[in-house]
Amino acid sequence: DSGVTQTPKHLITATGQRVTLRCSPRSGDLSVYWYQQSLDQGLQFLIHYYNGEERAKGNILERFSAQQFPDLHSELNLSSLELGDSALYFCASSPGTSYNEQFFGPGTRLTVL
Amino acid sequence: GNSVTQMEGPVTLSEEAFLTINCTYTATGYPSLFWYVQYPGEGLQLLLKATKADDKGSNKGFEATYRKETTSFHLEKGSVQVSDSAVYFCALSDLNTGGFKTIFGAGTRLFVKA
Repeated sequence: DSGVTQTPKHLITATGQRVTLRCSPRSGDLSVYWYQQSLDQGLQFLIHYYNGEERAKGNILERFSAQQFPDLHSELNLSSLELGDSALYFCASSPGTSYNEQFFGPGTRLTVL
Repeated sequence: GNSVTQMEGPVTLSEEAFLTINCTYTATGYPSLFWYVQYPGEGLQLLLKATKADDKGSNKGFEATYRKETTSFHLEKGSVQVSDSAVYFCALSDLNTGGFKTIFGAGTRLFVKA
C-alpha cells in the first residue's frame, strides 16, 4: 500500500458526460501528479500540482482540468467525454519535486461507452 | 525535448535466466533516472533510482547504472523469478520544468515462465 488513495476504482459513463476523479496523497506529501495510461499511448503525464499551485502541464486536453485543495487532495475533472478517453488514470504524490520518488495510487479505470 | 526509449516487449524468460532491459535517454543536464515496476492490476512503484553519473541503483536483486557517456540506464537481474513478471518503466526527471515533471518510457512487459 503506497498511502495514496484514489476514488472511485471503476467508473463507467457515456460519451458527452463529465466525471470527477479524486486523489488523496500520502500524509505530508505536497506534490500531486496525474497520469493517463492507455494501451496505445503508454503512461502520459497530465499535470502536476505543488501545495495548491499548478507547476507543470503535460499532454492534458482542454476538456480536462484539475485542482489541488488546501487539504492537499486533488481532483481531475474530465468533461465532454469521448470513447478515446477510456483509460486508467493514476495519481501519484511525492514530498517535493519529482527528483523524489513518486508514490502511485491504485488508479481509476474509466470506461466511456 | 527530453525523452526515454526502452526496448519493446514482451520479454519472455525462463526462471533463473539473466534479464536485461535496455533504456536510453535524451536530456539536457543531469536528470535523475528511475525504474518503476507495475504488477498486474496495481499502480507503479519505484524499483530503483540513480541521481548522478556512475551511480548504481539496486533493489530486490535488480541493478541499473547511470551511464552519462552512453546516456543509458539499463536494468539487469542475474536470476529472474516468476514473481518478477510485470511491466517495467524507465523514467527521468525533466529538469526543464525544475524537476516537476517525470518522463516515462513506453514500458517493457516481462513474462517469466516456471
